[in-house]
Amino acid sequence: KAGVTQTPRYLIKTRGQQVTLSCSPISGHRSVSWYQQTPGQGLQFLFEYFSETQRNKGNFPGRFSGRQFSNSRSEMNVSTLELGDSALYLCASSGLTGYDGYTFGSGTRLTVV
Amino acid sequence: AQSVTQLDSHVSVSEGTPVLLRCNYSSSYSPSLFWYVQHPNKGLQLLLKYTSAATLVKGINGFEAEFKKSETSFHLTKPSAHMSDAAEYFCVVSDGTASGTYKYIFGTGTRLKVLA
Repeated sequence: KAGVTQTPRYLIKTRGQQVTLSCSPISGHRSVSWYQQTPGQGLQFLFEYFSETQRNKGNFPGRFSGRQFSNSRSEMNVSTLELGDSALYLCASSGLTGYDGYTFGSGTRLTVV
Repeated sequence: AQSVTQLDSHVSVSEGTPVLLRCNYSSSYSPSLFWYVQHPNKGLQLLLKYTSAATLVKGINGFEAEFKKSETSFHLTKPSAHMSDAAEYFCVVSDGTASGTYKYIFGTGTRLKVLA
């Protein structure tokens, strides 16, 4: 079956702009989580959506937001980009609770210049 | 709250020799634990998981890990390293949330180098 698909794979944006990243989960998975990966901070949890509702949230500023559609596809948005937002953004999907683990996409590499 | 500590940031082994990547966890109850591998510019691939079944867990590509509650450890091993094993490895503990779901707490990663 198809895995978790993230688009685009690479993005270059300018400070102050906003960006939208997309994630299509594994068919049948209704939970989608987002993570930010940077060399300095490692992997950090952004938020999780389930059935179009944000179920869990990490400690990121309000510039980071997300949403989930009825087909379980998810988008995350970062407004007013800062240089420090440069990172690999990973999306992961799971079944009902995530107890058995998550399947990750290949990520979107965002560079802010 | 759960936490996980990967004891080595870098490990180098020669091809054909055993691999040991160390992970200790902190948990107030019986946790779910995972090992993931990440190759350069790729996402994370699940190697194996422990979810309170057998304490010796076998994963893909010849990797295995043993859950030791008394030592709060979940070390990853492989009998014989291959060049393709060179990557970064993450130990993960699953943290329960107020909504009854689980989110991941990641270790800081261990970069494995395999020497020819």
